[in-house]
Amino acid sequence: GNSVTQMEGPVTLSEEAFLTINCTYTATGYPSLFWYVQYPGEGLQLLLKATKADDKGSNKGFEATYRKETTSFHLEKGSVQVSDSAVYFCALGLTSGSRLTFGEGTQLTVNP
Amino acid sequence: DVKVTQSSRYLVKRTGEKVFLECVQDMDHENMFWYRQDPGLGLRLIYFSYDVKMKEKGDIPEGYSVSREKKERFSLILESASTNQTSMYLCASSFVTGQETQYFGPGTRLLVL
Repeated sequence: GNSVTQMEGPVTLSEEAFLTINCTYTATGYPSLFWYVQYPGEGLQLLLKATKADDKGSNKGFEATYRKETTSFHLEKGSVQVSDSAVYFCALGLTSGSRLTFGEGTQLTVNP
Repeated sequence: DVKVTQSSRYLVKRTGEKVFLECVQDMDHENMFWYRQDPGLGLRLIYFSYDVKMKEKGDIPEGYSVSREKKERFSLILESASTNQTSMYLCASSFVTGQETQYFGPGTRLLVL
């Protein structure tokens, strides 16, 4: 079946530190890959996505590259801010279905 | 700007009550979803709908039902609320395939006493 595995949290960083949140997946077929972010008290919102191998999604200084050979979609940011404190979810979706498969989420806290 | 709205941000209900959570989207999406989110368990899909009057069970449908009479509206029903249904409930919508972005509402935090 399809699954998404994220690095365990919580992750705590100081402002301006480099961020990596690991995400690996298992899927039948050729999935699209997503990163969603959930700020405190809110619903999820799309952060970035990639629809095929070697695509790089980027938004708000975050980046992730779709690596088919390692079945990974790691989220990176060069310099985090306090406002990036949130829960981050990796997810995959297939053309053959309607639903997304989500990872368990990684809580990120950035301290000033 | 795309929008998914949920009828309440916070609800407090008593055990045994029938509870309705409503979700409305304005993007003409075919798909709509209900999730619950609990600490340490991530997002779990309760039900989804791919068309008016059509529904499919997700991973944890027990104790819930849904209704979709109009394309823009998707209701989650707790037939007889129990304390273990205390949770955050998130609604989402998307176009047809799983490769499309899902757009989420702000969530309803339900407390069952």
